[in-house]
Amino acid sequence: EVVLTQSPATLSLSPGERATLSCRASQSVSNYLAWYQQKPGQAPRLLIYDASNRATGIPARFSGSGSGTDFTLTISSLEPEDFAVYFCQHRSSWPLTFGGGTKVENK
Amino acid sequence: EVQLVESGGALVQPGGSLRLSCAASGFTFSNYWMTWVRQAPGRGLEWVASIKQDGGGTYYVDSVKGRFTISRDNTKNSLYLQMNSLRGEDTAVYYCARRPDYISHPNWFDPWGQGTLVTVSS
Repeated sequence: EVVLTQSPATLSLSPGERATLSCRASQSVSNYLAWYQQKPGQAPRLLIYDASNRATGIPARFSGSGSGTDFTLTISSLEPEDFAVYFCQHRSSWPLTFGGGTKVENK
Repeated sequence: EVQLVESGGALVQPGGSLRLSCAASGFTFSNYWMTWVRQAPGRGLEWVASIKQDGGGTYYVDSVKGRFTISRDNTKNSLYLQMNSLRGEDTAVYYCARRPDYISHPNWFDPWGQGTLVTVSS
């Protein structure tokens, strides 16, 4: 089973700042990694798939990078609506697994 | 508009059973793999099970194998999760989900339903 470890657990930033979130896999997942955003009381929303492809309707301030075992989600300039929890997920093998999440909170 | 609406969540005693449903609309249901993902209160996401378009292939996380069964009825545009021998650790919001239209691989998820809460407690 691929274990995905996200860091940091919490990121305290202000609007306009840059957010850098990390997801590390216990073994290579190639580029088969996605990022989701989840706000309180809502279902997750797909942001990035295949490590670096933005999902439809996702603003350009969100970008993903990485391959193999190390991945990064970058939010170039935080908007008020970006404060949320972010999860990574792989699809390289069964079982599919998610990371534990990073909460981006307003400082 | 694509819609996924889960139902069937409830309070159930340990060892009990429950059947969740996910009603799909706004798309050709039989063309898509479907998946259940759960989220324990205040916790992260856990993939539970997936099923191929025709129901001919099913996949489960180890913790539910032998207890949960994913199935679908393409004539009713519905996905199901039969949950038996429920345990406290099965307490979670259960979401159904499918891939986006613009992605061919079935294991990226969007949209998701709104979820249904299953509570296992005596």
